[in-house]
Amino acid sequence: SQQGEEDPQALSIQEGENATMNCSYKTSINNLQWYRQNSGRGLVHLILIRSNEREKHSGRLRVTLDTSKKSSSLLITASRAADTASYFCATDPYGNKLVFGAGTILRVKS
Amino acid sequence: EAQVTQNPRYLITVTGKKLTVTCSQNMNHEYMSWYRQDPGLGLRQIYYSMNVEVTDKGDVPEGYKVSRKEKRNFPLILESPSPNQTSLYFCASSWSGGGDEQYFGPGTRLTVT
Repeated sequence: SQQGEEDPQALSIQEGENATMNCSYKTSINNLQWYRQNSGRGLVHLILIRSNEREKHSGRLRVTLDTSKKSSSLLITASRAADTASYFCATDPYGNKLVFGAGTILRVKS
Repeated sequence: EAQVTQNPRYLITVTGKKLTVTCSQNMNHEYMSWYRQDPGLGLRQIYYSMNVEVTDKGDVPEGYKVSRKEKRNFPLILESPSPNQTSLYFCASSWSGGGDEQYFGPGTRLTVT
């Protein structure tokens, strides 16, 4: 079953614009992570936010977590063509299992 | 260089012919896991391992076997592959568990005819 569901499924923006992706999940978690995948390659870890944190920043990335709504958002500011990729959220609802959502495909047009 | 390696990267095989996909990490990580990725379904966890000789099922373990005899290696075994196991497979590792930052291998694209 899918614990994390990303929204939207696909997003197309112009270079320089901001991109926002959302993730919803169903059960309690310890951590929520975001990953990036370029065209069928291995996933790359972007950021981890713990259940007792509300917001976290890393460079042009901003992640928020609302445990009462069981949702998270990933904001990429001043997007670049190189940000074109699929983005996945992942949660750890069942001990050491890790559950990924279906992902958001981001296309940044130059 | 810290990395997770998988072999082979591409494999085409026939139904029923046993195969093994190897995974190795050089970071002394405790936790290793296997995922399959199918269009529209994201990544689904097949098996994971907390340490040597400790393995557990993920969400889609049917048709797969794993073993963890050494800390650095975590092979994925398909005893009798079927066409519905055609997929892109990823191995990943982390320091201590599923809630930690995962380091992914480059992927193995498997086609079963």
